[in-house]
Amino acid sequence: GENVEQHPSTLSVQEGDSAVIKCTYSDSASNYFPWYKQELGKRPQLIIDIRSNVGEKKDQRIAVTLNKTAKHFSLHITETQPEDSAVYFCAASKAGAQKLVFGQGTRLTINP
Amino acid sequence: EPEVTQTPSHQVTQMGQEVILRCVPISNHLYFYWYRQILGQKVEFLVSFYNNEISEKSEIFDDQFSVERPDGSNFTLKIRSTKLEDSAMYFCASSSHAGNYGYTFGSGTRLTVV
Repeated sequence: GENVEQHPSTLSVQEGDSAVIKCTYSDSASNYFPWYKQELGKRPQLIIDIRSNVGEKKDQRIAVTLNKTAKHFSLHITETQPEDSAVYFCAASKAGAQKLVFGQGTRLTINP
Repeated sequence: EPEVTQTPSHQVTQMGQEVILRCVPISNHLYFYWYRQILGQKVEFLVSFYNNEISEKSEIFDDQFSVERPDGSNFTLKIRSTKLEDSAMYFCASSSHAGNYGYTFGSGTRLTVV
């Protein structure tokens, strides 16, 4: 079945700097790649997603890139702010199959 | 914005007891899911439900688990005889159709088995 690997497990950046989190997936049939932000004790919140028919998507300070050939996708957060501190999860899903397979998560800490 | 609601927010149960976790998916959604997250770990898929039947389940979803949509609004997860290792946060989710459009998670039920 699908396997999603996420790196790094922890990331600490200075406020205002950029943060990049990377994920790889194993199943070439996967075509939907969402990113979730989870604050302590809260639900995962979708922050951005990308489908396999595009290579990049941007929403204000957040962008996601997808390389289908290499089977990896990345989350980019620019101009980081303290409220960006959270655990971020990538996930992958195949066409027709609705389940999401999650990566292990990245704890992002923004230092003021 | 429509929400997936879950009750209770926290449940403590004795090992061996049955628990039922409740979810109200978004009203026009057709696909329903349960996930669990053991403290500090990743979110893991348990089961998906469509057209009043299970469409997919993971290895975690063994005979101890069952799901039901008893009426037009509720979606429940039952654990028949809880074990200590069932302690986790359980998230319900729903989506509007295949392709994961509108995939939304509930706020979760923290299950503690003692």
